[in-house]
Amino acid sequence: NAGVTQTPKFRVLKTGQSMTLLCAQDMNHEYMYWYRQDPGMGLRLIHYSVGEGTTAKGEVPDGYNVSRLKKQNFLLGLESAAPSQTSVYFCASSYVRSEQFFGPGTRLTVL
Amino acid sequence: GESVGLHLPTLSVQEGDNSIINCAYSNSASDYFIWYKQESGKGPQFIIDIRSNMDKRQGQRVTVLLNKTVKHLSLQIAATQPGDSAVYFCAENRGYSTLTFGKGTMLLVSP
Repeated sequence: NAGVTQTPKFRVLKTGQSMTLLCAQDMNHEYMYWYRQDPGMGLRLIHYSVGEGTTAKGEVPDGYNVSRLKKQNFLLGLESAAPSQTSVYFCASSYVRSEQFFGPGTRLTVL
Repeated sequence: GESVGLHLPTLSVQEGDNSIINCAYSNSASDYFIWYKQESGKGPQFIIDIRSNMDKRQGQRVTVLLNKTVKHLSLQIAATQPGDSAVYFCAENRGYSTLTFGKGTMLLVSP
């Protein structure tokens, strides 16, 4: 059981470039989440999904898009990266209203 | 890279002491609470949870106390060890699909 995995672990982008972060879970969880974590800010929810084919906005959705085409995968896209999107990104998954299991994170730097 | 603990409240204890980490929540409708531990460079890890129909729950070396009257949550760690050094987050579920996280407390354990 790998749990929640994230790809890539590190990435450096130039302003205006695009990229996709991949999250995969093997626990058959319905819910999946994308967070960003900045120093002293805690975890802020970007987007989430309550099932395959569904997505919803979280607290800080601007500049990001997501897709959940398969139950086990949740993709986070940045269409035109900005320095303000430099952060550590965490994916999580859970059963309905239960504890969330987190991936190891992706450290993204936008120059 | 920058630490997630930058500018966080910090609790410093000696190895073997008991630690108490506090969290205030704001929404009286919250009915599920979780404590997470995050070590440097890793994703948050579930420690213990409690539902609003309880006021105390115990795990291995950890106890969570819930005081709904004053909207306060605490995490007690018995016989704190150097391996307990991390950032601790509380999270609350307000009856929806998502969790709201606090900003965290850094626990430093000296040998």
